[in-house]
Amino acid sequence: EPEVTQTPSHQVTQMGQEVILRCVPISNHLYFYWYRQILGQKVEFLVSFYNNEISEKSEIFDDQFSVERPDGSNFTLKIRSTKLEDSAMYFCASGFGTGNEQYFGPGTRLTVT
Amino acid sequence: AQSVTQLDSHVSVSEGTPVLLRCNYSSSYSPSLFWYVQHPNKGLQLLLKYTSAATLVKGINGFEAEFKKSETSFHLTKPSAHMSDAAEYFCVVKAGGTSYGKLTFGQGTILTVHP
Repeated sequence: EPEVTQTPSHQVTQMGQEVILRCVPISNHLYFYWYRQILGQKVEFLVSFYNNEISEKSEIFDDQFSVERPDGSNFTLKIRSTKLEDSAMYFCASGFGTGNEQYFGPGTRLTVT
Repeated sequence: AQSVTQLDSHVSVSEGTPVLLRCNYSSSYSPSLFWYVQHPNKGLQLLLKYTSAATLVKGINGFEAEFKKSETSFHLTKPSAHMSDAAEYFCVVKAGGTSYGKLTFGQGTILTVHP
């Protein structure tokens, strides 16, 4: 069964460093998403991506964040200059259409020290 | 705007007894509602979804949920709990209107199953 994969599973970085989180969505899906979950808090929407552009983003998704689909299979989330409060589990998801369910990856745990 | 409230942060049951995880939602549009489950160190797995068809929705592993518009509820049930059901469960609403599928999550309910 197709699944969404994410790498790495755990990333430790120092404050101020850039990180790139990688996702491989399900191959025939058209919509791509990033969510995050800070420890002890709700899963929060960050951004949706369709047709090679951001279709919707939350207030959290400021200029420090960017997304890209560089090669038709990968979907990446970049944080330019990490802060302590960026420590969270980041989930990638994909879906065939906005009316369809989203399939989630296992997550990348980002720890900023 | 949409929101989801899961009424219990922890639920504890004995194996073989019924499970009830409660969820209330708020949505400006006719909602799509989902339950996802997360086992330790695993990703979020879709259990079931409601998208304006039958109000009683059956999902995987014997779970089902009933959409009650008058009560704005979407409670998750299972007749008989199994040890493998121990996990965290999320009630989720999908924005309608012009949204590109943004999901709004409840805070999660941790289900513990005792032998």
